[in-house]
Amino acid sequence: DQQVKQNSPSLSVQEGRISILNCDYTNSMFDYFLWYKKYPAEGPTFLISISSIKDKNEDGRFTVFLNKSAKHLSLHIVPSQPGDSAVYFCAARTSGNTPLVFGKGTRLSVIA
Amino acid sequence: GAGVSQTPSNKVTEKGKYVELRCDPISGHTALYWYRQSLGQGPEFLIYFQGTGAADDSGLPNDRFFAVRPEGSVSTLKIQRTERGDSAVYLCASSLAGQGYNEQFFGPGTRLTVL
Repeated sequence: DQQVKQNSPSLSVQEGRISILNCDYTNSMFDYFLWYKKYPAEGPTFLISISSIKDKNEDGRFTVFLNKSAKHLSLHIVPSQPGDSAVYFCAARTSGNTPLVFGKGTRLSVIA
Repeated sequence: GAGVSQTPSNKVTEKGKYVELRCDPISGHTALYWYRQSLGQGPEFLIYFQGTGAADDSGLPNDRFFAVRPEGSVSTLKIQRTERGDSAVYLCASSLAGQGYNEQFFGPGTRLTVL
């Protein structure tokens, strides 16, 4: 029973264009959402997060949108760069220092 | 470096053997997590320590898996009678304790292969 779902295993985007990665969740107790980026042979690296009291959080080229009623969040990368090519994981948790629940990841390829 | 470190980076063992995987968290981080990532999957939670004690071990798949953190810093994940299905990347993460949402910092992982 996947509580966090990333339904697109891969995405290919041209350099300079927008990348949109999607994530759906089923557990209404989740109130904090994160995106991690992972390069081969490295651990996941925190990218951006959003609390359930917000619907948007922006950090440079990265913006995360949260639609609580739809239990959906998305990560927008604008403009996409070749160095953004990696696997992106959506994760969620309930309050406090609780463990993260991860999706299966989406492999983003940014083509020059 | 100041990040989370894990040793060994790779471990190959035979079915039925015992293995230990080590995690050195970021200094000062009292919360420590173990996750397991199988091929094509996201990381899956195994166990969470707050200080020396296991605050949540609900993710451990069975009693062949055990983890310790005797001094509240370094942690060791122990797997007895390994099976081929245990092959995965084992990730460790640490974070500050306390209220609020504290980012989890991940180590590079240990790739375990059980032949």
